[in-house]
Amino acid sequence: NAGVTQTPKFRVLKTGQSMTLLCAQDMNHEYMYWYRQDPGMGLRLIHYSVGEGTTAKGEVPDGYNVSRLKKQNFLLGLESAAPSQTSVYFCASSYSLGGIKQFFGPGTRLTVL
Amino acid sequence: GDSVTQMEGPVTLSEEAFLTINCTYTATGYPSLFWYVQYPGEGLQLLLKATKADDKGSNKGFEATYRKETTSFHLEKGSVQVSDSAVYFCALSDRGSQGNLIFGKGTKLSVKP
Repeated sequence: NAGVTQTPKFRVLKTGQSMTLLCAQDMNHEYMYWYRQDPGMGLRLIHYSVGEGTTAKGEVPDGYNVSRLKKQNFLLGLESAAPSQTSVYFCASSYSLGGIKQFFGPGTRLTVL
Repeated sequence: GDSVTQMEGPVTLSEEAFLTINCTYTATGYPSLFWYVQYPGEGLQLLLKATKADDKGSNKGFEATYRKETTSFHLEKGSVQVSDSAVYFCALSDRGSQGNLIFGKGTKLSVKP
């Protein structure tokens, strides 16, 4: 039981490049989330999904797109990376929305030059 | 909107000292409250939670009591250990956030032997 896994662990991009971060969970959770963590800012929700084929915007969605084609996977895309997107990205999942424990992945450290 | 305010860090304590990390919140409804912990290089883990007023969450010697009258959820531990060194996040979830977690900015705790 791997829990929540994220690929890659580290990445360096140049401004304007694109990339996709992959999150996978093996707990059969309906709900999945993408957060970014910046120094002094805590975690902020980028996008989330309440089930396969659904996505919704969080607090800071601009510059990101997501897809949930399979229940176990939640992809976060950056179409044209900007230095302001330098951050640590965490994926999480839960079996219910709100008031319930979220399980977090180990994070992806992204640097945009 | 909903928000969480927690004490600024970093906090440095000697082993066996008493720990308090303050957390207050603003919410439109009756939120559930959480403390998450992030050990170095890892994702967040749920430490404890409380879902209604006067509930006390506890785990691994840590405690926090949901105080509706003061809108607070302070984290305490009677005797900290070096292994407690981590970043601690207070969070809430309620109708105002569509059930999503709203995090505080985090408090870094360092415990010296």
